[in-house]
Amino acid sequence: QKEVEQNSGPLSVPEGAIASLNCTYSDRGSQSFFWYRQYSGKSPELIMSIYSNGDKEDGRFTAQLNKASQYVSLLIRDSQPSDSATYLCAVKRDTGFQKLVFGTGTRLLVSP
Amino acid sequence: DGGITQSPKYLFRKEGQNVTLSCEQNLNHDAMYWYRQDPGQGLRLIYYSQIVNDFQKGDIAEGYSVSREKKESFPLTVTSAQKNPTAFYLCASSIVPPGLGVTDTQYFGPGTRLTVL
Repeated sequence: QKEVEQNSGPLSVPEGAIASLNCTYSDRGSQSFFWYRQYSGKSPELIMSIYSNGDKEDGRFTAQLNKASQYVSLLIRDSQPSDSATYLCAVKRDTGFQKLVFGTGTRLLVSP
Repeated sequence: DGGITQSPKYLFRKEGQNVTLSCEQNLNHDAMYWYRQDPGQGLRLIYYSQIVNDFQKGDIAEGYSVSREKKESFPLTVTSAQKNPTAFYLCASSIVPPGLGVTDTQYFGPGTRLTVL
């Protein structure tokens, strides 16, 4: 079992729709969770971080964490073609200095 | 501008040749990291360093070497012992948390794309 799993996609949504990206992780000791966006040929850029169960909203983005079920999701409201990218989920065991484990990413395509 | 710079953007290596990838940051971060990304795969950790003159192997350190002589710089050498070096190489940096409860978000440089000829 992979430590961090994501559906590779592509996930196709029309412009203006809600895109839902999911990530599951195997280590129950994980405490810190990150979503990075990576455009083709570019480096990852941080979108959201979440540490507590529940929802965290930042503009059009909402991260949702459920530690009991070991999943974290990212919702993108009012999806735009510029949101088309690969979204990487990353998980860290504890707060403090620990290795960050990445999923393979979900490719999102937003069609005009 | 504060940030992380990597050079060169593209690098071509001949068989049996060592090459060095540069990574510099002016974010005053103590920790620096090197990752490798292959098509369709996630990022895999090569080496990391929490402090000057100290570094640790990551998951795929074989065929690579690093140095950390300055806080701002963490160069990666891809040696001839690395049999499949063609990949996208990413450098990242973060703070080193003073204790539990403080997280260390990693920020990435623009990357170096290495191709073996």
